[in-house]
Amino acid sequence: GAVVSQHPSWVICKSGTSVKIECRSLDFQATTMFWYRQFPKQSLMLMATSNEGSKATYEQGVEKDKFLINHASLTLSTLTVTSAHPEDSSFYICSARALAGVETQYFGPGTRLLVL
Amino acid sequence: RKEVEQDPGPFNVPEGATVAFNCTYSNSASQSFFWYRQDCRKEPKLLMSVYSSGNEDGRFTAQLNRASQYISLLIRDSKLSDSATYLCVVNSGGGADGLTFGKGTHLIIQP
Repeated sequence: GAVVSQHPSWVICKSGTSVKIECRSLDFQATTMFWYRQFPKQSLMLMATSNEGSKATYEQGVEKDKFLINHASLTLSTLTVTSAHPEDSSFYICSARALAGVETQYFGPGTRLLVL
Repeated sequence: RKEVEQDPGPFNVPEGATVAFNCTYSNSASQSFFWYRQDCRKEPKLLMSVYSSGNEDGRFTAQLNRASQYISLLIRDSKLSDSATYLCVVNSGGGADGLTFGKGTHLIIQP
């Protein structure tokens, strides 16, 4: 199957710093990438949808100025958590979809963020 | 009401047993349905899509009941390696391309 990578795999940072997470599709071009967040013992929650070359679409309740998404190329999307706080500590997972209308999404391995 | 609901379990079953779990979804316009498997501290991985006619993949059988808005997963001859959390996932389509995940059902296969 298709491979999606995320970097870094885990981050520990101080409150107030910004953290950038990269999501790359390694062997296919991803027209759409999705960012999810999962708190302990909770379901994955979609945060935003990003399409290459256009602005991301954020889900209700997700602050676009806090979670900056850039999808500059067909193989890379980045999520920046700005001024991170302890409540932002979570498991952030991206997924990528190769073609519009194709449902299969391939998930990255996730990034664990711990904000102290 | 939550969009996708599952019994969180845990389901403790002996190796070799058959186990089934269901999930219900609230959006009647939902178009696509999946079961994903998530191991502890890992990303979810697609187990199988769910079709209206029901479908089988080896020891796994998935069924969809659109009228009652529920999806089921049956695992036969369970293996120790089947221990994981099984996520019921729905794509409501209509421009909302992201997937909606249930909280998952935790399955523990005991030797």
